[in-house]
Amino acid sequence: TQLLEQSPQFLSIQEGENLTVYCNSSSVFSSLQWYRQEPGEGPVLLVTVVTGGEVKKLKRLTFQFGDARKDSSLHITAAQPGDTGLYLCAGEYGGSQGNLIFGKGTKLSVKP
Amino acid sequence: DAGVTQSPTHLIKTRGQHVTLRCSPISGHKSVSWYQQVLGQGPQFIFQYYEKEERGRGNFPDRFSARQFPNYSSELNVNALLLGDSALYLCASSYLRDFSPLHFGNGTRLTVT
Repeated sequence: TQLLEQSPQFLSIQEGENLTVYCNSSSVFSSLQWYRQEPGEGPVLLVTVVTGGEVKKLKRLTFQFGDARKDSSLHITAAQPGDTGLYLCAGEYGGSQGNLIFGKGTKLSVKP
Repeated sequence: DAGVTQSPTHLIKTRGQHVTLRCSPISGHKSVSWYQQVLGQGPQFIFQYYEKEERGRGNFPDRFSARQFPNYSSELNVNALLLGDSALYLCASSYLRDFSPLHFGNGTRLTVT
């Protein structure tokens, strides 16, 4: 059974601080996706990483896929209150398009 | 373009009842997936349908069933509701190809009392 362990589960920081969220598995994934979910809404895709060692940047967000494609991280620089939300990592393994394994999520609160 | 739409947005049922949830995918998307998100957890895969055929099924009991219609919309049915079925049910549509992102609807919040 593929599992994605996400940490930390909760994170409360002040505006301007940096943070990193981790997503780890013992399984190899063909891709890993990061989503953000706000209360009352469905998850919204932030990025997909495919190649081992890949780094993608989205403004103040940096996503990295581990060399072995078993882990990933999300780093936010100078967090802002608008970054508040639930961050979810989701792994896709070969041939399973549409069937993602999600982590439990990291609930981020950025205080002004 | 309209996103993924789900109905109803909220639903309250009692134990033992049956429920039907509906989903309309983004135009052009032929794949629809259903996920259950219990409070405090990430979404868990229930079903995937593509071209009206079941393409994948998660670890859910037979009380859960789904179907996809010729217009690619989909229904999720749950029989003999249990308290533990209370959750946010998410529908996602996509193109069926590698690394194609899922586009989620805002879900149906089901409460079983």
